[in-house]
Amino acid sequence: QVQLQESGPGLVKPSETLSLTCIVSGYSISSDYYWAWIRQPPGKGLEWIGTFYHSGNTYYSPSLESRVTISGDTSKNRFSLKLTSVTAADTAMYYCTGSSSGWDYYFDYWGQGTLVTVSS
Amino acid sequence: EIVMTQSPATLSVSPGERATLSCRASQSISSHLAWYQHNPGQAPRLLIFDASTRATGIPARFSGSGSGTEFTLTISSLQSEDFAVYYCQQYNSRRTFGQGTKVEIK
Repeated sequence: QVQLQESGPGLVKPSETLSLTCIVSGYSISSDYYWAWIRQPPGKGLEWIGTFYHSGNTYYSPSLESRVTISGDTSKNRFSLKLTSVTAADTAMYYCTGSSSGWDYYFDYWGQGTLVTVSS
Repeated sequence: EIVMTQSPATLSVSPGERATLSCRASQSISSHLAWYQHNPGQAPRLLIFDASTRATGIPARFSGSGSGTEFTLTISSLQSEDFAVYYCQQYNSRRTFGQGTKVEIK
């Protein structure tokens, strides 16, 4: 059973960089899954941020591409999200996910999510 | 961008009754639709993909139907653990989600 757990600061100051990590258990991130980040601002819908594959391929939402980096650490079986120059609009619940079918399909597994607030 | 519209926003149902949730796409998405269940504080769970295929371990009381622009998730007999928020998601063109339907106890 694949399990994912997000971790990182719950509070980030405006203009700084948001950094989150997702620890994966029950499956190797070097295998054939695609690993992604999704977020949900309070009272709003779910938004795909980007996807990482162990080959090094990454896929990002066009609306966030200039500020996002997703990378993996196979030695620790985890992957990370960095979002630069954050504003209050980046306040959201952030989820990490795993997809078996491809980078642009559905999401088989999700973490519980971590709330990140952008505020001074 | 394909807009996904779910209805109703809230559905009040008694345990043991049937629940029918709708999801409409702003343009045809073939059968490229998934449904998720989310209980607050827990990880969202994939229920259905390809509009009607149950994910691994999902009980048979969950069923999905539809194609094109109109889709339905049916829960045949609601159990206590089924009271949650349900989201649809299209993956025909990029990926977008509906706003969710909350299924609450009547």
